[in-house]
Amino acid sequence: DAKTTQPTSMDCAEGRAANLPCNHSTISGNEYVYWYRQIHSQGPQYIIHGLKNNETNEMASLIITEDRKSSTLILPHATLRDTAVYYCIVRVGGGSNYKLTFGKGTLLTVNP
Amino acid sequence: ETGVTQSPTHLIKTRGQQVTLRCSSQSGHNTVSWYQQALGQGPQFIFQYYREEENGRGNFPPRFSGLQFPNYSSELNVNALELDDSALYLCASSRLDTDNEQFFGPGTRLTVL
Repeated sequence: DAKTTQPTSMDCAEGRAANLPCNHSTISGNEYVYWYRQIHSQGPQYIIHGLKNNETNEMASLIITEDRKSSTLILPHATLRDTAVYYCIVRVGGGSNYKLTFGKGTLLTVNP
Repeated sequence: ETGVTQSPTHLIKTRGQQVTLRCSSQSGHNTVSWYQQALGQGPQFIFQYYREEENGRGNFPPRFSGLQFPNYSSELNVNALELDDSALYLCASSRLDTDNEQFFGPGTRLTVL
C-alpha cells in the first residue's frame, strides 16, 4: 500500500470548516483513499473513502486531486466532538489482504 | 444492528504469561482483522481471518495467533508475553466480498508487567 504524509497537528475553530490534507504521491491506480478518525481511547471510526471522484456523506467531504497524488478531508462545520486523530490511508479496494496501514495521523483540535 | 464488541476491556498480565482476547463481529460481516496500537502510534495490522483461516499477516511473530469461529467471532492469542506487548488491541470486522469499510471495536487495553 502507498505511503501517506499528513501534518502532525492542526487547530480549527468550532463552527468553521476543518480541512485536513494528505499527500499520497505514490498511489496506484487501483488504490482507494480512506479516512478514519480515532477519538481518544476509542476504536477508529470510518469516515469516508474514494477512488477518483470527490465524495460526500453525512460526516464529511473528500476532495481528491485530478492526479490523485493528494486529497483533503473536509469537515464542514467542526464541533468540539470532532477533536480526534484523523488517519489518511490508501489501499487496494476489496478482495483479499484487506489490511489498513495506519500512519501517525493528524491530531485535529477543535477550539471553542 | 449490533456493532463490534471486544472483551475484556482491560487486562493486566505478567511477562511470560499467555492471553486470549475476544471479538464479536458486526452482524453480516465475515472477516475479522486484528490490530495492535502502542501508545502514541497508529494501529498496526496483526492478521486477518476469513472463513476461519488466516488471510494475511503483518510483521508479528508466531506467538501471536488467532482463531475465527463459524459465527465469525474471533480470538487473538498471545503467548510468552513481553513488556512491549502492552498496547490497545483492536479488532475490526468487514465483508471481504464487498468494498466495505472496516468497523472497529472499542479495543482491549493489555498491560504487561
